[in-house]
Amino acid sequence: EVQLLESGGGLVQPGGSLRLSCAASGFTFSSYAMSWVRQAPGKGLEWVSAISGSGGSTYYADSVKGRFTISRDNSKNTLYLQMNSLRAEDTAVYYCAKQQSDFWSGYYFGGAFDIWGQGTMVTVSS
Amino acid sequence: EIVLTQSPATLSLSPGERATLSCRASQSVSSYLAWYQQKPGQAPRLLIYDASNRATGIPARFSGSGSGTDFTLTISSLEPEDFAVYYCQQRSNWPNTFGQGTKLEIK
Repeated sequence: EVQLLESGGGLVQPGGSLRLSCAASGFTFSSYAMSWVRQAPGKGLEWVSAISGSGGSTYYADSVKGRFTISRDNSKNTLYLQMNSLRAEDTAVYYCAKQQSDFWSGYYFGGAFDIWGQGTMVTVSS
Repeated sequence: EIVLTQSPATLSLSPGERATLSCRASQSVSSYLAWYQQKPGQAPRLLIYDASNRATGIPARFSGSGSGTDFTLTISSLEPEDFAVYYCQQRSNWPNTFGQGTKLEIK
């Protein structure tokens, strides 16, 4: 069964840091682009960042560029999101999502988000 | 950034009725548009990709159409489990963007 399991969320003060992890199973992890998508309480979905299967290409939303870093360890089937200089507006449930293919093989820019984790809550507050 | 505008914001219908949800893009996204369903407390689920292709395991009552800037998600006959929030999403240009959502509620 294809599965994604996020961890690492919690309460952090403004200006602090947090690292989220997403453990993948049931598919060849290195063959797929992966993304992080967040959802503030009561709000809609916001794409945060994406990474190619090899980890060599990364993309960020303007709202997190320069503060967040996406990475992956294909030997551990794990996706990461390092979040620094956190702000109150970063408070959200963070989902990791598998894309339908890698960026340049199969679907254009990796396709849609076909598998989602259950999410991990990040709260930025003093 | 491409802005996706969904309408209506809320749609009130009864089981058995037909639902038509709209998503309009601020510029052409070709056919690189997907639809997701989200129920309270759950992660989103992919319904439709590339405008008109049903994802694995999605019932035939869900269909998508459109290209360029205007897209539609149609649910032919609503089942009780279909009442949820629906989002469209484009990947034509970075950044990926989502619409603000349409809440489908029971009338």
